[in-house]
Amino acid sequence: AQSVTQLDSQVPVFEEAPVELRCNYSSSVSVYLFWYVQYPNQGLQLLLKYLSGSTLVKGINGFEAEFNKSQTSFHLRKPSVHISDTAEYFCAVSLPPASGGSYIPTFGRGTSLIVHP
Amino acid sequence: EAGVTQSPTHLIKTRGQQATLRCSPISGHTSVYWYQQALGLGLQFLLWYDEGEERNRGNFPPRFSGRQFPNYSSELNVNALELEDSALYLCASSGTSGGPGNTGELFFGEGSRLTVL
Repeated sequence: AQSVTQLDSQVPVFEEAPVELRCNYSSSVSVYLFWYVQYPNQGLQLLLKYLSGSTLVKGINGFEAEFNKSQTSFHLRKPSVHISDTAEYFCAVSLPPASGGSYIPTFGRGTSLIVHP
Repeated sequence: EAGVTQSPTHLIKTRGQQATLRCSPISGHTSVYWYQQALGLGLQFLLWYDEGEERNRGNFPPRFSGRQFPNYSSELNVNALELEDSALYLCASSGTSGGPGNTGELFFGEGSRLTVL
């Protein structure tokens, strides 16, 4: 079974500074990778996803992530954060049926990004 | 287009009671997923329904059950409530039958917060 580790439970950062949220996954086969964002009192919204192809994935709101197969990582980055980016960020992994899975994503425990003025 | 809708928004129950949560997927979506989001634990997969059938189940006791109706809406039932069942219950839907398919994306509702006293 696949698993996801988000290495930081909380990341404080000042507005306009760059940020990186770390995610490592555990799987010996091909996976799909996702980052979702959860704003306060809301459900989850997809930021970006990696299914195949280019390892650098660009998402909404200026976020991007890089798939690194050798390090089994999928870290999320933004060059300059805004106050409005304050939210909970979840990394997720799923296995397609060809890899023995059912596409259902397994989520990490989340990283709380706190942007200070 | 309406998103995934869940009801009730909040629910307060006492130990031993039963709770019923409801979910309407995005129009045209046939798969519905239920996740439990307890504080500090991320999202834990509960159940997946597709075309009216239970397709997969997470590591939860049998007192967590549900069903999917012919119009693809779904309800989650939790019997014999325990204090640790207090959590945000998130429903998601996907745009292809048989699972999230090759898009991999789930669309989430805003959740139902269950408090067990």
